Amino acid sequence: KAGVTQTPRYLIKTRGQQVTLSCSPISGHRSVSWYQQTPGQGLQFLFEYFSETQRNKGNFPGRFSGRQFSNSRSEMNVSTLELGDSALYLCASSYTGHEQFFGPGTRLTVL
Amino acid sequence: TQLLEQSPQFLSIQEGENLTVYCNSSSVFSSLQWYRQEPGEGPVLLVTVVTGGEVKKLKRLTFQFGDARKDSSLHITAAQPGDTGLYLCAVSINAGGTSYGKLTFGQGTILTVHP
Repeated sequence: KAGVTQTPRYLIKTRGQQVTLSCSPISGHRSVSWYQQTPGQGLQFLFEYFSETQRNKGNFPGRFSGRQFSNSRSEMNVSTLELGDSALYLCASSYTGHEQFFGPGTRLTVL
Repeated sequence: TQLLEQSPQFLSIQEGENLTVYCNSSSVFSSLQWYRQEPGEGPVLLVTVVTGGEVKKLKRLTFQFGDARKDSSLHITAAQPGDTGLYLCAVSINAGGTSYGKLTFGQGTILTVHP
């Protein structure tokens, strides 16, 4: 079974721009969660989608948004990028929402 | 205050040594997970512990869930360079009525095993 895939793997943007990251879950998994990982804050939950509905949301500003498509693929969008948004963005898929399987992440650098 | 406190934060040992990593909290959990993350990659699920006092073994790795389900430990026997990585404990927390899809992580233990 193919694992979770994320594209792109690396991204460089400038302040004020917006970015869209993509995640393809493991086949059969309907839950997709997104996390931000930084050296200072560690792994922090952004949001989770299940069957195209946002089921859970973390404490991030509205500039961070996401969606899920009917084939369970998910995208997250960050608008008006700030320097502090530089991080590794991880996507995880799950059958139930509990045990999660992570992709390799997208490394976002904001200049 | 972190919900999950991991210790130690850093661990640097020689190949062949044993080590234990701890994950502590004042809260009770229905289950707890351990992940390992290598540089440039996402975390990989190692184990889920569910029952208080439960012990699970994965080759040279032994995981234990505390009797009160507030803490857990990971013990590695005869560590090898391939064990190097970031070890994370994580739990699902009920937030606003649902815990689905939301894992809360400890800050992690960075393990380096020197040949």
